[in-house]
Amino acid sequence: EVQLVESGGGLVQPGRSLKLSCAASGFTFSSFAMAWVRQAPKKGLEWVATITSGGSNTYYPDSVKGRFTISRDNAKSTLYLQMDTLRSEDTATYYCAKDGGYDYWGQGVMVTVSS
Amino acid sequence: NTVMTQSPTSMFISVGDRVTMNCKASQNVGTNVDWYQQKTGQSPKLLIYGASNRYTGVPDRFTGSGSGTDFTLTISNMQAEDLAVYYCLQYNYNPPTFGGGTKLELK
Repeated sequence: EVQLVESGGGLVQPGRSLKLSCAASGFTFSSFAMAWVRQAPKKGLEWVATITSGGSNTYYPDSVKGRFTISRDNAKSTLYLQMDTLRSEDTATYYCAKDGGYDYWGQGVMVTVSS
Repeated sequence: NTVMTQSPTSMFISVGDRVTMNCKASQNVGTNVDWYQQKTGQSPKLLIYGASNRYTGVPDRFTGSGSGTDFTLTISNMQAEDLAVYYCLQYNYNPPTFGGGTKLELK
């Protein structure tokens, strides 16, 4: 059974950093691109980052480019999202998702950016 | 960026209804559109990929259609368990972009 379990969320002050993790199991993690998608409270879905299967290529929307860094450790089957210089508008539930159709999603982790 | 506009934003429906919702792309995205279902308090679930292909385990009352700029998700014989918000996603262009969602509510 495919499982994606996010962790690392919480309350953080504007301008500070936070690192999310997503532990994957039930599939060959190293064979698939992975992504982060977020959802602000009562809002829709927004793609945040994608990393290729080997980790050599990463992609971001303009809203987070230069502030967020997606990475992965294939030996640990774990995906990461380093979030720096956080803003109030980054407040959201962050989901990791298996790419190639976002066919599996984690349960999500809440990040609140507030002073 | 490619804007995906969903309509209507909400619908009041009854069990047994045939439900049709739309997604319009701001430019030609071919058939590179997925549909997702998100129930309250849950993560999104993939329903339809490539505009018209039902994902594994999805009931055949869900049908996706369209190409180019206009896409439709139809639920025939609506069930109470189908109450949710439905999102379309285009992945033809970077960045991938979601529509704003269509929320199904009971009359």
